[in-house]
Amino acid sequence: EVQLVESGGGLVQPGGSLRLSCAASGFTFSNYAMSWVRQAPGKGLEWVSSISGSGGSTYYADSVKGRFAISRDNSKNTLDLQMSSLRVEDTALYYCAKGGYSTPYDPWGQGTLVTVSS
Amino acid sequence: EVVLTQSPATLSLSPGERATLSCRASQSVSSSLAWYQQKPGQAPRLLIYDASNRATGIPARFSGSGSGTDFTLTISSLEPEDFAVYYCQQRSSWPRTFGQGSNLEIK
Repeated sequence: EVQLVESGGGLVQPGGSLRLSCAASGFTFSNYAMSWVRQAPGKGLEWVSSISGSGGSTYYADSVKGRFAISRDNSKNTLDLQMSSLRVEDTALYYCAKGGYSTPYDPWGQGTLVTVSS
Repeated sequence: EVVLTQSPATLSLSPGERATLSCRASQSVSSSLAWYQQKPGQAPRLLIYDASNRATGIPARFSGSGSGTDFTLTISSLEPEDFAVYYCQQRSSWPRTFGQGSNLEIK
């Protein structure tokens, strides 16, 4: 069974940094692109970033470009999202999802909550 | 950026009725469109990929159609567990985008 478990969320002040992680199991991790998708409280879904299976290619939403960095460790089956210069508007539930390049997002983790507030 | 516009924003129906949800793209996405279902407090779940293919384990009452700019998700006969928010999403170009969601509520 494919499992994705996010961690690392929490409360951070504007301008601060946070690193999210996603532990994957149940599939050959290096064969699949991975993505982060977020959902602000009471709002819809917003794609954040994707990384290829090898880690050699990455994409970012304009809203996070230059502030967030996606990475993966295929030896540990983990996906990370390093977030810096955080803004109030980055407050959201951050989901890790398998896929995002040539495949849809399936499945999704349960999410980790990031709150940016002073 | 491809803008996806879903309609209606809210649809009120009763169990057993047929639901038709629409997703319109601002430019062609070919068949690279997916539909997701999200229930309160849960992560989204993939229903349909590549416009018309049901994901593993998705009941046959869910079907998708369309290509280019106009897409439809149909639920043939609503079950109580189908009342949720539905999102379309395109993977034809970057950035990946989602529609704003359609809330399917019990009448």
